[in-house]
Amino acid sequence: EPEVTQTPSHQVTQMGQEVILRCVPISNHLYFYWYRQILGQKVEFLVSFYNNEISEKSEIFDDQFSVERPDGSNFTLKIRSTKLEDSAMYFCASRGQGANVLTFGAGSRLTVL
Amino acid sequence: QQQVKQSPQSLIVQKGGISIINCAYENTAFDYFPWYQQFPGKGPALLIAIRPDVSEKKEGRFTISFNKSAKQFSLHIMDSQPGDSATYFCAASKASNYQLIWGAGTKLIIKP
Repeated sequence: EPEVTQTPSHQVTQMGQEVILRCVPISNHLYFYWYRQILGQKVEFLVSFYNNEISEKSEIFDDQFSVERPDGSNFTLKIRSTKLEDSAMYFCASRGQGANVLTFGAGSRLTVL
Repeated sequence: QQQVKQSPQSLIVQKGGISIINCAYENTAFDYFPWYQQFPGKGPALLIAIRPDVSEKKEGRFTISFNKSAKQFSLHIMDSQPGDSATYFCAASKASNYQLIWGAGTKLIIKP
C-alpha cells in the first residue's frame, strides 16, 4: 500500500537553529499538508500546498515557517530559527485529485533545547 | 467557531463491548467529518468519514452517527477487540479544502 514517508523520525536541535523536515508524499497525489501535534495537545493544521504554491495557512505558520517542493517528489517544511515552543510531532499528509482521504506519514518528532 | 470538542479523554471497555466516542463542532460550514485511528509511533490513519447528507455510516464494526441539528457526531465500535486499543481523533473540515480541525483525542483501551 502506498505510504507517505517522513524523515527524520526524530530531530534534536538547539534553539535558534534552522530545521528542515522532509516528506515524500504518495507519488500521484497533488495536495500536500503539514500538521503538528504538541505533546498532549490537539493536532493542528499548519499549511496546505497545491500546484507549487501555498493554498492555505494557519496563524501558527508565521514567517519562521516555509514549505517547498524542491524536486517534484519531496515536500519540505523549514523552520528558520527554532523556538522551544516548536517542539512537537510534525505530520505530513497528501491527497489525490478528487479524493477525500488524507494519508498521513508517521511523523517527525522535533525537540528544541 | 472553529473548535471540535471530543469526549471522553480516555475510555476503557471490555472485549466484546461497545466503545462510544463523541464529538461536537461549531462551524456549520463544515461538511466533512472523519475519524482517525492512531497507534503509538504511527501517523493518524483514516478509519471512517461521513458527510452531513446522511445520519449514519457503517463500515464493518465501525459506525458514525451524525446529528446535524445538534452539530454532533459519534463513533461506535461494536464488538471491541484488544487490537482496537489506540487513540481516536475526530475532525471536521470543509470538503473544499480538507483543512482539518481536530478533536483532542480519546485514548481507548480494550481489556481482554
